[in-house]
Amino acid sequence: QVQLQESGPGLVKPSQTLSLTCSVSGGSFSTGGYYWSWIRHHPGKGLEWIASMYYSGSTYYNPSLKSRLTISVDTSKNQFSLKLISVTAADTAVYYCARGLGYRGYDSGADYWGQGTLVTVSS
Amino acid sequence: QSVLTQPPSASGTPGQRVTISCSGSSSNIGTNTVNWYQHLPGTAPKLLVYSNNQRPSGVPDRFSGSKSGTSASLAISGLQSEDEADYYCAAWDDSLNGWLFGGGTKLTVL
Repeated sequence: QVQLQESGPGLVKPSQTLSLTCSVSGGSFSTGGYYWSWIRHHPGKGLEWIASMYYSGSTYYNPSLKSRLTISVDTSKNQFSLKLISVTAADTAVYYCARGLGYRGYDSGADYWGQGTLVTVSS
Repeated sequence: QSVLTQPPSASGTPGQRVTISCSGSSSNIGTNTVNWYQHLPGTAPKLLVYSNNQRPSGVPDRFSGSKSGTSASLAISGLQSEDEADYYCAAWDDSLNGWLFGGGTKLTVL
């Protein structure tokens, strides 16, 4: 059974950098040809796709976040990470990591999700 | 602008059948497949349907998806109280070169 777990600070000051890590267990991260993604849920609003990365490194970013965003993978640790710079209150959300959401939907959807972690941007 | 449009709310009584729509365009639903997710805020979203009409293992056959042209639908039959949740459609958009989620539909079981 694949399991994902987000980790990172729950409080970030405005203008600083939000950094989150997703640890994957229950399967080898670097095999299987899966995409790995970040999605967020703003309080009272809908889900927003942030970015997706193929295990080998090709990435796709939400154009509205691309200039502030970097995602990376550490296959040796079965982890992938998100860094969002220059955060504002608008970045306050529950952040989820998930397996899936591949290029043009050439996969079986986001079938495994982390439990989510609330990140609040406030001074 | 690339958008997937869902009705903000839907409702039904136990045992009824309800349908939730998702309207897009040629750059997303018209060209690519649609996924549907169930989300209870505070919990992880759950994949209900992928590739327009395929159900992952463990998803009851009460949930079914369909697509026609630039629109898609999720049907829930035999409505149960535990189906009360937010439902989202999602599709890849070729103009954005990324994923779009619909605005979500809050389903209330009366």
